[in-house]
Amino acid sequence: QKEVEQNSGPLSVPEGAIASLNCTYSDRGSQSFFWYRQYSGKSPELIMFIYSNGDKEDGRFTAQLNKASQYVSLLIRDSQPSDSATYLCAAQYNFNKFYFGSGTKLNVKP
Amino acid sequence: DTGVSQNPRHKITKRGQNVTFRCDPISEHNRLYWYRQTLGQGPEFLTYFQNEAQLEKSRLLSDRFSAERPKGSFSTLEIQRTEQGDSAMYLCASSLDGTAYNEQFFGPGTRLTVL
Repeated sequence: QKEVEQNSGPLSVPEGAIASLNCTYSDRGSQSFFWYRQYSGKSPELIMFIYSNGDKEDGRFTAQLNKASQYVSLLIRDSQPSDSATYLCAAQYNFNKFYFGSGTKLNVKP
Repeated sequence: DTGVSQNPRHKITKRGQNVTFRCDPISEHNRLYWYRQTLGQGPEFLTYFQNEAQLEKSRLLSDRFSAERPKGSFSTLEIQRTEQGDSAMYLCASSLDGTAYNEQFFGPGTRLTVL
């Protein structure tokens, strides 16, 4: 069983703060990792992906990967109320299989 | 709109009825995926097509479920003899062959309610 674990939250942060979202995965064969944002009642929207150890930055978002610890994180700087959503972490295995966590709900308070 | 489209967006049916959903992927994408998502959970993989070939199918997909992609473009997912446990959001995603990391883009989903 290839599992992706996320704290369900909710994670509450004030507007302008850094939100830190975490994810662990069980299968060391996982190749790449994806973060999706999902607003209530909507479908997942790709934010970014990471495949190498270290950090990857895209605007206000930074993904971090530590394959030794089997740990992925997403940092959102200068959090805005519009960032309030559920964030899904996905691990890619064998290129065509994706395993999703159950998501972390983020609330950004104005 | 050049994104992934799905129809219908909502479907309410009675237990025992058959339902069919359609997915139109992004036009140049040759990979197509079906997922199922229930409240509070992440999407669960159901099946995957590369062009018209169904290359992988989850054990979650019972024999009541069938998917097709006859011409390598749109795909249909049929559920026969629906059960209340089939109530969920059915998501379709597509990706482009040749990309290094297989980024998937999701459609809006079809929400199925089985009464």
